[in-house]
Amino acid sequence: DVKVTQSSRYLVKRTGEKVFLECVQDMDHENMFWYRQDPGLGLRLIYFSYDVKMKEKGDIPEGYSVSREKKERFSLILESASTNQTSMYLCASTTTTGVGKLFFGSGTQLSVL
Amino acid sequence: KNEVEQSPQNLTAQEGEFITINCSYSVGISALHWLQQHPGGGIVSLFMLSSGKKKHGRLIATINIQEKHSSLHITASHPRDSAVYICAVERGSQGNLIFGKGTKLSVKP
Repeated sequence: DVKVTQSSRYLVKRTGEKVFLECVQDMDHENMFWYRQDPGLGLRLIYFSYDVKMKEKGDIPEGYSVSREKKERFSLILESASTNQTSMYLCASTTTTGVGKLFFGSGTQLSVL
Repeated sequence: KNEVEQSPQNLTAQEGEFITINCSYSVGISALHWLQQHPGGGIVSLFMLSSGKKKHGRLIATINIQEKHSSLHITASHPRDSAVYICAVERGSQGNLIFGKGTKLSVKP
């Protein structure tokens, strides 16, 4: 069974902390995405990557950075967490060949206090 | 105006009813996705379509490219269908999606 695994289901951090959210996929997908989901706003794209060491800004990249050192792993970094980054974070992956189904991780609910 | 609009925002149905959720979009697309999100957060891809109609079990998805409109139908609805259904459109070939805000469906026994 194909899998996108996010390292934590729930995370509580303090304002100013550096936060790492990890995502691993086992489908050899080229494209990986980080979204955040907030009530009333739907899913919004933070960053995406279409290859190792490649990254592209999404709609709301401010306050975030990403790392893709290996094809299967895409990390989201909050350099200095703030309360407005409290949200559900979802990772997804898909193939790059034509139009492919999107596979999502189960999400990380991050609370920044 | 949002590029992807879903209606209704909320929908309550009785078990067994036929359900339709609509999605309209205003941009050119390469494909449209229907996603399902159960309480707890996990999102599952139901359909990806670029033309015509697809069917999987009790779920049917249709798309009209000329009218920029898609519908998701659920026949013989069941309480386990209760979830948020999300429409998303894909521009280009890299899987970058624009999402609707979702339709929250509640099916009562």
